[in-house]
Amino acid sequence: KNEVEQSPQNLTAQEGEFITINCSYSVGISALHWLQQHPGGGIVSLFMLSSGKKKHGRLIATINIQEKHSSLHITASHPRDSAVYICAVRTAGGSEKLVFGKGTKLTVNP
Amino acid sequence: EPEVTQTPSHQVTQMGQEVILRCVPISNHLYFYWYRQILGQKVEFLVSFYNNEISEKSEIFDDQFSVERPDGSNFTLKIRSTKLEDSAMYFCASRGTPWDEQFFGPGTRLTVL
Repeated sequence: KNEVEQSPQNLTAQEGEFITINCSYSVGISALHWLQQHPGGGIVSLFMLSSGKKKHGRLIATINIQEKHSSLHITASHPRDSAVYICAVRTAGGSEKLVFGKGTKLTVNP
Repeated sequence: EPEVTQTPSHQVTQMGQEVILRCVPISNHLYFYWYRQILGQKVEFLVSFYNNEISEKSEIFDDQFSVERPDGSNFTLKIRSTKLEDSAMYFCASRGTPWDEQFFGPGTRLTVL
């Protein structure tokens, strides 16, 4: 069983729609990351969070430590948001290691 | 805005050859990482490096791999005798403190023939 599970695997939306991507994990963590990977392959860090909620522009990330679950929301989605969104966790206990989910491929159509 | 850079962007090599992948982390960062992503698969942690030594490594990071910070700016990943299964995208990342997010480089695509 993967330590980090994301859903859905693929998501297609119309421009303007509200998007939610989910991440569940089975290990103790010190932090959770949301990353964006563009078709060219480059990875951009969107959020790092260990509790509560963070907002940056149209992106919102939440985490529930008790339920071991995080969500990434995109409001007013746009075709330029099309990318793979990856959840990664840093395991607890002083580890430097990030454990990655398989990613959610988002396509936003105009 | 400061960024992590990686060279080359694409490396093609013959099986059994040695390759060195280069990264220039953000200048005031202290923690450095290598990850790899085999085509169609998830990103995997290889190694973390701090204070001029490996702080953690995965089971993937066996004796054919090594890392080095040869000067104040570069951070390199050496693969001694490449195998076909080493073909992947290799990402370098860095961060300033343990509480900061990681900044990723654009990746080096390694193709082993």
